[in-house]
Amino acid sequence: NAGVMQNPRHLVRRRGQEARLRCSPMKGHSHVYWYRQLPEEGLKFMVYLQKENIIDESGMPKERFSAEFPKEGPSILRIQQVVRGDSAAYFCASSENYEQYFGPGTRLTVT
Amino acid sequence: QKEVEQNSGPLSVPEGAIASLNCTYSDRGSQSFFWYRQYSGKSPELIMFIYSNGDKEDGRFTAQLNKASQYVSLLIRDSQPSDSATYLCAVNIGTGFQKLVFGTGTRLLVSP
Repeated sequence: NAGVMQNPRHLVRRRGQEARLRCSPMKGHSHVYWYRQLPEEGLKFMVYLQKENIIDESGMPKERFSAEFPKEGPSILRIQQVVRGDSAAYFCASSENYEQYFGPGTRLTVT
Repeated sequence: QKEVEQNSGPLSVPEGAIASLNCTYSDRGSQSFFWYRQYSGKSPELIMFIYSNGDKEDGRFTAQLNKASQYVSLLIRDSQPSDSATYLCAVNIGTGFQKLVFGTGTRLLVSP
C-alpha cells in the first residue's frame, strides 16, 4: 500500500517564476492537507481539501498561493511569482479518519 | 500564548533510559492529540495519537493525556540512539477533519 507521494522532491525556481507542487494521497484517503515548514520553524497548516472542494484555507497567504484537488489526479499547490521567502519544505498529508500521514515533502529553493 | 507549546530541548538521555517529552495546549475544545517524530531533513512520521484522558501504550511508547491540565506527554522507554530526532506534538483544533496545530518540537538526543 503506497504511502503519500509528492513530487518533485526538490524544486529550484528563480524569483518571479511559478512553482507547482503535487501530492497523491494514500489509497483510500479522501482528505488532503498542505503544510509549510520554514527553516528552524514548526509546521504550519496552509490548506485542507477534499475532492473538488477547499474546506479550510485559513493558513494560505492571501496572494500568489492557490490549491486544488481535482476529481481526477493529484492535489496541486501552486505558488505564483515566487519570492525568496517562499523557500521552505512543503509537506502534504492525507487522512481518512483523524490520523494524518505525511508525504516526503517538496523542498523549494528560490534563487 | 502559543496554541501548542513544547520545550525545544535538546533533551539528552543515556541509552536505555526513559525519555519524557511534554506538550501543553491552549484550546480547551481540542479533541485529539498526536505525536510525530521527524528526523533531520525528513518528513514527520506518526508515532501515536490519543483522544481520551489517561495513558495509551504502544510498544516502547506511552502517550499520556490530561485534558483538565491541557497537557499531553510522550514517554519513550528503553531509549535507543535511533530515537534521536525531533518530536512534534500536534493538536487537532475542532471536532472534525480539521487542521493540525503543531508545536515547534523537542529535540531528543540519546547517547550510547
